[in-house]
Amino acid sequence: EVQLVETGGGLIQPGGSLRISCTASGFTISSNYMSWVRQAPGKGLEWVSVIYSGGSAYYADSVKGRFTISRDNSKNTVYLQMNRLRADDTAVYHCALGYCSSIRCSANAFDIWGQGTMVTVSS
Amino acid sequence: QSALTQPASVSGSPGQSITISCTGTSSDVGSYNLVSWYQQYPGKAPKLMIYEGSKRPSGVSDRFSGSKSGNTASLTISGLQAEDEADYYCCSYAGSSTWVFGGGTKLTVL
Repeated sequence: EVQLVETGGGLIQPGGSLRISCTASGFTISSNYMSWVRQAPGKGLEWVSVIYSGGSAYYADSVKGRFTISRDNSKNTVYLQMNRLRADDTAVYHCALGYCSSIRCSANAFDIWGQGTMVTVSS
Repeated sequence: QSALTQPASVSGSPGQSITISCTGTSSDVGSYNLVSWYQQYPGKAPKLMIYEGSKRPSGVSDRFSGSKSGNTASLTISGLQAEDEADYYCCSYAGSSTWVFGGGTKLTVL
């Protein structure tokens, strides 16, 4: 069964750092497109970052320069290192697997989602 | 990277059809046929319903369909059922390996 499980969320003070993880099972992350999408309490979805199968990484303007996406293929895990955290980073952070048809995989749709991990930035 | 515009809420009676619009710009929705739609129940993870504008993943009911005209994409749900009551989000590729979501639409089945 294809599954994603996020861990590492918690309460962090403004200006602090936190690393959250997304461990995959049922597939290999290095062959796929993996994204982070967040949802602030009572708000909509916001795309945060993607790491391509080739290793290239991209970010939303709101997190560029503060967040870093990476992966450890041996652990089949994707990470999101979050630095200089702000109150408006408070959200549930989901990782998501890019959709794969019978022909190819793509980062243009988010197929499998984890349940998310809550990050609260507050003093 | 401004959010796509969706109506805050739509409603319909069982058996009816409803359409949710998703308006972007010529830099995102208008430039690419890469709009996806997601259904989300309270406290749950989103579920992919439509990708590449009009394609349905395996297992998604054919009551759900997607289309696009200019800078506006649409999700139509036909034969509305009580279980369709949920929040719906659109998402579009916005160029330079970035994506943008809509603000979400709450669907109420009367």
